[in-house]
Amino acid sequence: NAGVMQNPRHLVRRRGQEARLRCSPMKGHSHVYWYRQLPEEGLKFMVYLQKENIIDESGMPKERFSAEFPKEGPSILRIQQVVRGDSAAYFCASSLGPPRGPNQPQHFGDGTRLSIL
Amino acid sequence: TQLLEQSPQFLSIQEGENLTVYCNSSSVFSSLQWYRQEPGEGPVLLVTVVTGGEVKKLKRLTFQFGDARKDSSLHITAAQTGDTGLYLCAGGSNDYKLSFGAGTTVTVRA
Repeated sequence: NAGVMQNPRHLVRRRGQEARLRCSPMKGHSHVYWYRQLPEEGLKFMVYLQKENIIDESGMPKERFSAEFPKEGPSILRIQQVVRGDSAAYFCASSLGPPRGPNQPQHFGDGTRLSIL
Repeated sequence: TQLLEQSPQFLSIQEGENLTVYCNSSSVFSSLQWYRQEPGEGPVLLVTVVTGGEVKKLKRLTFQFGDARKDSSLHITAAQTGDTGLYLCAGGSNDYKLSFGAGTTVTVRA
């Protein structure tokens, strides 16, 4: 399967711990996006990254959340000192090139379900 | 924040019937996408519409983009049990910052 790969699929953390979510984009894709989905709500944009650059993080909380997409390896969404309200499904998407226009669709992974005890 | 409202929230029909789901906004979008999401999986792109008034067909699915590019509809003809799923619309003025609706859960009964 050459699609967007996210791991782990399920992650359980206690309040105050750190959560690290990984996303490997589709082969050849250098643009990555993270979204959060709460129960019965739509997906909410968090951050858009290209290799080694954060392009837009306007949807990401200013505290405790960070994202990176290094030159080598997967993109990482990191949540420090998790709280109950962080429980959600986190989805990563990737696109082939600059996301302008309909010919650069975003392809989604199957998400990481984060549960905070 | 651009708000997309989808209706109905839930829809249950018998196999063979037709259905329509709607996606409405007060904002204009440069493009609008429809996705289908199965439980435990990520959204899968069905179609992208970009021109006001555009109609696209994908087998038994017909997608329409409103003339003013503020709304869209998805019509399924002769629904099958395999059409069961969560249908999401998403639009953006910046194409990467997609704004998603909350979705319509479609259940097709055998």
